[in-house]
Amino acid sequence: DAKTTQPTSMDCAEGRAANLPCNHSTISGNEYVYWYRQIHSQGPQYIIHGLKNNETNEMASLIITEDRKSSTLILPHATLRDTAVYYCIVRVPGQAGTALIFGKGTTLSVSS
Amino acid sequence: DAGVIQSPRHEVTEMGQEVTLRCKPISGHNSLFWYRQTMMRGLELLIYFNNNVPIDDSGMPEDRFSAKMPNASFSTLKIQPSEPRDSAVYFCASSSSPGGIYEQYFGPGTRLTVT
Repeated sequence: DAKTTQPTSMDCAEGRAANLPCNHSTISGNEYVYWYRQIHSQGPQYIIHGLKNNETNEMASLIITEDRKSSTLILPHATLRDTAVYYCIVRVPGQAGTALIFGKGTTLSVSS
Repeated sequence: DAGVIQSPRHEVTEMGQEVTLRCKPISGHNSLFWYRQTMMRGLELLIYFNNNVPIDDSGMPEDRFSAKMPNASFSTLKIQPSEPRDSAVYFCASSSSPGGIYEQYFGPGTRLTVT
């Protein structure tokens, strides 16, 4: 039973913002939202995580709704190198056996 | 930092042979994870070590799979005997936080083909 729902694919023009949605309507109070991505033929790469506040780092911004049932990953100025599969994951950090569970993710295609 | 190092990058072997995959985590990281990725099943956690001790091996498919972490800078995943259904990309990841509370850093993977 998937904890998150993401669109299968999205397109974005280079230089524009890419907004990737994720639904996690059954998220519990102590579960964090994590985002990873996987560029073709590479290992997954950590992007960002958050609990309930919006977060920003050098790669992206994470916007979590007030009820925490959904979130959006924002790549402010997408480049061709951002073409990848993006995974939204919810989990309780630190619990043994609750390591990252990757679903199908969203394939983001950035074009010039 | 060199990142997580895995070897070999590619391995082709015949059914029944023993296969050993190797991983060197990022220096100072005390959590290590082995994942397997296939088209059918996606990315699956096989086993997780914390301070060189296996914490959760519930994802290990069967007794043919074994993993060791003799010290903080080295881990192996062994398959004996190998079968065609073991063909996959195997990733090693490490983290500075127990259980990978925050980010996990993945290696480039080992692509295993069993014929």
